[in-house]
Amino acid sequence: RKEVEQDPGPFNVPEGATVAFNCTYSNSASQSFFWYRQDCRKEPKLLMSVYSSGNEDGRFTAQLNRASQYISLLIRDSKLSDSATYLCVVFTYSGAGSYQLTFGKGTKLSVIP
Amino acid sequence: NAGVTQTPKFQVLKTGQSMTLQCAQDMNHNSMYWYRQDPGMGLRLIYYSASEGTTDKGEVPNGYNVSRLNKREFSLRLESAAPSQTSVYFCASSERQGSIEAFFGQGTRLTVV
Repeated sequence: RKEVEQDPGPFNVPEGATVAFNCTYSNSASQSFFWYRQDCRKEPKLLMSVYSSGNEDGRFTAQLNRASQYISLLIRDSKLSDSATYLCVVFTYSGAGSYQLTFGKGTKLSVIP
Repeated sequence: NAGVTQTPKFQVLKTGQSMTLQCAQDMNHNSMYWYRQDPGMGLRLIYYSASEGTTDKGEVPNGYNVSRLNKREFSLRLESAAPSQTSVYFCASSERQGSIEAFFGQGTRLTVV
C-alpha cells in the first residue's frame, strides 16, 4: 500500500457544484495532515490543516478519520478559480529528529463554466 | 518576507555537466526538503534535513547530493546530470515552534539534454 493515496481524477464539475476529494494514508503513527493546492506550473501552497474535529474555511471543509486513516476535502459552490490540483500531505515524526512530509500525487479539479 | 527562495528558476544542462540548486529560507524553520515533480509521479522526496547539520535520503536520492550549509540554506547538487533528471525541483521548509506547515520555493525547471 502506498503511503499516501489519492484519486488522481480529473474531476470535471460545473460551477456551483459540490465536490469531495478523499485521501488515505498508511502510517498510523502520522501526526498531522494538510491539504495543499497546486496551480499549473506553480509551487504547492497550503490550503488548510486537517483536524479530527473537522475544520471549515469558507467553502472548504476538511475532515480526518484516524481510525480509518482517511482524510477528506469538501468544496462547496465551486468557482472557476478552484481549478487546480489538490495534494494530500501527511506529517510523520518517527523520533530522534527524524520526520517527513509525504505528499499524495494529487487530485486534479477542473471547474467548468 | 521572502519565504523560500530558489535559484535558478530555469536551467538547461548537457549530459554529464554538474550544477548546484540553491535554496534559502528566512522563516527560521528547522527542516528543509528537496523534491522533484514529474508528470504523473507527484512530488517525490530527494533529500531532507531535519535540522542544521543533518541530512537524510528520501525516496529518490540517487544522482544527488545535498548540503545544509546553515539553518537558512540547503543546496542540491547534481554531480553528473542525466536526462532522467529532467524535472521540476522544489525546495521546501517547515517546522518551527508551534508550526509545521511547509512552504515551497517557486521551483527550478531543469532540462538535461
